[in-house]
Amino acid sequence: DAMVIQNPRYQVTQFGKPVTLSCSQTLNHNVMYWYQQKSSQAPKLLFHYYDKDFNNEADTPDNFQSRRPNTSFCFLDIRSPGLGDAAMYLCATSRDWGDNEQFFGPGTRLTVL
Amino acid sequence: GQQLNQSPQSMFIQEGEDVSMNCTSSSIFNTWLWYKQDPGEGPVLLIALYKAGELTSNGRLTAQFGITRKDSFLNISASIPSDVGIYFCAGQSAAGGTSYGKLTFGQGTILTVHP
Repeated sequence: DAMVIQNPRYQVTQFGKPVTLSCSQTLNHNVMYWYQQKSSQAPKLLFHYYDKDFNNEADTPDNFQSRRPNTSFCFLDIRSPGLGDAAMYLCATSRDWGDNEQFFGPGTRLTVL
Repeated sequence: GQQLNQSPQSMFIQEGEDVSMNCTSSSIFNTWLWYKQDPGEGPVLLIALYKAGELTSNGRLTAQFGITRKDSFLNISASIPSDVGIYFCAGQSAAGGTSYGKLTFGQGTILTVHP
């Protein structure tokens, strides 16, 4: 089945130690998104890629970066994780920008010690 | 920025009961989406609504896109234990606005179903 895959599902890192989360999709969608979701809150958009064009949300900290080496893969890099960065990180895709339906991956739960 | 008010925040119901939740906004949306999120998982799209007044069903789920384009509701009939989870509404703005292409989420409704 076509889907959005995130690895790892659970990631533990130390305060200040860089960490990379990955997302892949078999949907061949043009747009990939990264969201941060804290407990019992709605997902918060960090940035998105439309094809190779990167678009950062204004309030996304510089500590968060992203790479999209090809259509299928997208990475979230957290350069110096703080305790406040502990959250669920969700990857999503949509066929095109402005396309109404976004499909989410299962998420990566990040713990910062 | 745009905001969605989703209510209720939480619901505790008995198995077999019907459930209703809604979202309202001060802004007009082009599309309304309803997602369900199980604990430790990503949101799963339940229903997508594209036209004002549209009423769409998916099994025991029914959702409507409000005529004013500023609200939507989701009904679940004859609830079962596996309906437990967090339900999010999300709206997407029409082209031309600064929020175009992005989803605005409601705060979520936590549903608990007692067997």
